[in-house]
Amino acid sequence: ETGVTQTPRHLVMGMTNKKSLKCEQHLGHNAMYWYKQSAKKPLELMFVYSLEERVENNSVPSRFSPECPNSSHLFLHLHTLQPEDSALYLCASSQDFTQMGNTIYFGEGSWLTVV
Amino acid sequence: SQQGEEDPQALSIQEGENATMNCSYKTSINNLQWYRQNSGRGLVHLILIRSNEREKHSGRLRVTLDTSKKSSSLLITASRAADTASYFCATRAGGSYIPTFGRGTSLIVHP
Repeated sequence: ETGVTQTPRHLVMGMTNKKSLKCEQHLGHNAMYWYKQSAKKPLELMFVYSLEERVENNSVPSRFSPECPNSSHLFLHLHTLQPEDSALYLCASSQDFTQMGNTIYFGEGSWLTVV
Repeated sequence: SQQGEEDPQALSIQEGENATMNCSYKTSINNLQWYRQNSGRGLVHLILIRSNEREKHSGRLRVTLDTSKKSSSLLITASRAADTASYFCATRAGGSYIPTFGRGTSLIVHP
């Protein structure tokens, strides 16, 4: 248990569906992250939020829409995805976005399959 | 662009042997961290080494950092089957606050 909880753990959706991934951290951290992990590829940073403000948007297609209503919760809204978007989506948090020695705490991930 | 790259991509050893994996990076760093990921799970932080440190230990883990060669190594001594996982290095390049990860080394320890 890392203190970062992701739901659902598994999601299968059609290309025309709208779904959301949810992340909650119980660590009192100020920064939250979405990463995408595909087979044989490096971990890709998608978005970073610091104190509920988006500070990084790594050229992610608009079919992925993040939302951070407060410093404990982070959502990734999914709409009209493509099969190549199938991957493990990892949420993470850290104490403070601006600290160089920050440890990143990851959730268990949400396995997404787009059919 | 990707900052760190782990090598080898895959490593298979017998229980009790030592496992060594390496990380090379491109630009100057503030610190380097190693993470572990069990199959299909999230990453877990193992150890952090700062740019002014050359070696660090934590239990059976030994990390070295050579900033002149822009490389780091993670040594797991007396490996166990439970060490089977993927291992990633994460670096923060220059003044960046964002950690970037490589593809990882997949370690299999046979009982």
